[in-house]
Amino acid sequence: AQSVSQHNHHVILSEAASLELGCNYSYGGTVNLFWYVQYPGQHLQLLLKYFSGDPLVKGIKGFEAEFIKSKFSFNLRKPSVQWSDTAEYFCAVHTNAGKSTFGDGTTLTVKP
Amino acid sequence: DGGITQSPKYLFRKEGQNVTLSCEQNLNHDAMYWYRQDPGQGLRLIYYSQIVNDFQKGDIAEGYSVSREKKESFPLTVTSAQKNPTAFYLCASSLLQGRPEKLFFGSGTQLSVL
Repeated sequence: AQSVSQHNHHVILSEAASLELGCNYSYGGTVNLFWYVQYPGQHLQLLLKYFSGDPLVKGIKGFEAEFIKSKFSFNLRKPSVQWSDTAEYFCAVHTNAGKSTFGDGTTLTVKP
Repeated sequence: DGGITQSPKYLFRKEGQNVTLSCEQNLNHDAMYWYRQDPGQGLRLIYYSQIVNDFQKGDIAEGYSVSREKKESFPLTVTSAQKNPTAFYLCASSLLQGRPEKLFFGSGTQLSVL
């Protein structure tokens, strides 16, 4: 069975601080890794995804994530956060069999 | 506009009652999903379907049922067997093109027990 673990439930940062949100997964097959974001009052939307190739993937709004196979990790990073990055962030594993599993989410609050 | 429509936005259930949540998509997506979102627990997969007339149980299928008679529709029934149904329910869909594509989400249904 696949599972996703996000280490931080709530992160509070000041503007311009650097961000790293942890995500570890457990799955025996080919992993397809995603980060989704849910801004207040909006739908969940895709931030970035990794299928194969370069383990460092870049997404929208300056976010990036690094796939480290040996650590089963896919941490999300941003060098300098903005107040508008305040949202809930979800890491997810989608399998080729069509099943998608999400982590518990991390709420990011950025103080202006 | 293309997208996923969930209805109703709010739903109340009496004890012992079955209720059905609607999910319709006009994106021509193959796969559809139902998730339950509880505070602090993220999204938990209830059921998913990759093709019409076929669906699989997710991680918390007990007390729920689904059908997939049409490609664009994937209704979820919360049965009386579900003892803790109060939650926010999200429907999603995606293309299946060999490898999984991103999920598109609906706006959700908040179910509460009277």
